[in-house]
Amino acid sequence: TQLLEQSPQFLSIQEGENLTVYCNSSSVFSSLQWYRQEPGEGPVLLVTVVTGGEVKKLKRLTFQFGDARKDSSLHITAAQPGDTGLYLCAGVGNNNDMRFGAGTRLTVKP
Amino acid sequence: KAGVTQTPRYLIKTRGQQVTLSCSPISGHRSVSWYQQTPGQGLQFLFEYFSETQRNKGNFPGRFSGRQFSNSRSEMNVSTLELGDSALYLCASSDLVSVNEQFFGPGTRLTVL
Repeated sequence: TQLLEQSPQFLSIQEGENLTVYCNSSSVFSSLQWYRQEPGEGPVLLVTVVTGGEVKKLKRLTFQFGDARKDSSLHITAAQPGDTGLYLCAGVGNNNDMRFGAGTRLTVKP
Repeated sequence: KAGVTQTPRYLIKTRGQQVTLSCSPISGHRSVSWYQQTPGQGLQFLFEYFSETQRNKGNFPGRFSGRQFSNSRSEMNVSTLELGDSALYLCASSDLVSVNEQFFGPGTRLTVL
């Protein structure tokens, strides 16, 4: 059983569409991170959210941390083929331990 | 700065054998964490080393072990390999200032036949 549940597991969309992926848990985290992983590479950190209710924007990506610090969402506007990859969320616990979700595999078709 | 490097990149072993994987962190980073990534389970935390000491450990059997050297380079060892150990093994390093910002290497793809 995953501590962090990510949904959807797979997502295939056309270039230009918007999408939202979710990361949910019953645990409270001191912070939550989003990573993107491309084939043959390790995950790359996109953002860290710390405060409940926090919203961070990174160009076309918008990250939100839930008020209770148990869940998060990632919204991509006008998706591009370069956004294709595995999106992972990771929750950081009180003793600095980090737990990952299984990921959302996004494919953006041109 | 050079990124995190892992060797070898690919490895094929048979059941019962043992394997050692190596990770060189970013220069100046003293924390090294290891993860196992499989399609079904995602990234599972193995252990974290800081200044040659294991600081955190995940829920893996004792067949999985690791160590860290004085230059912060780390190795992990898996003994008596099982088919289910086939996975991508990722190493991540972080510095003291932002310990939660981890930089991952490209991983070692282990296949157990």
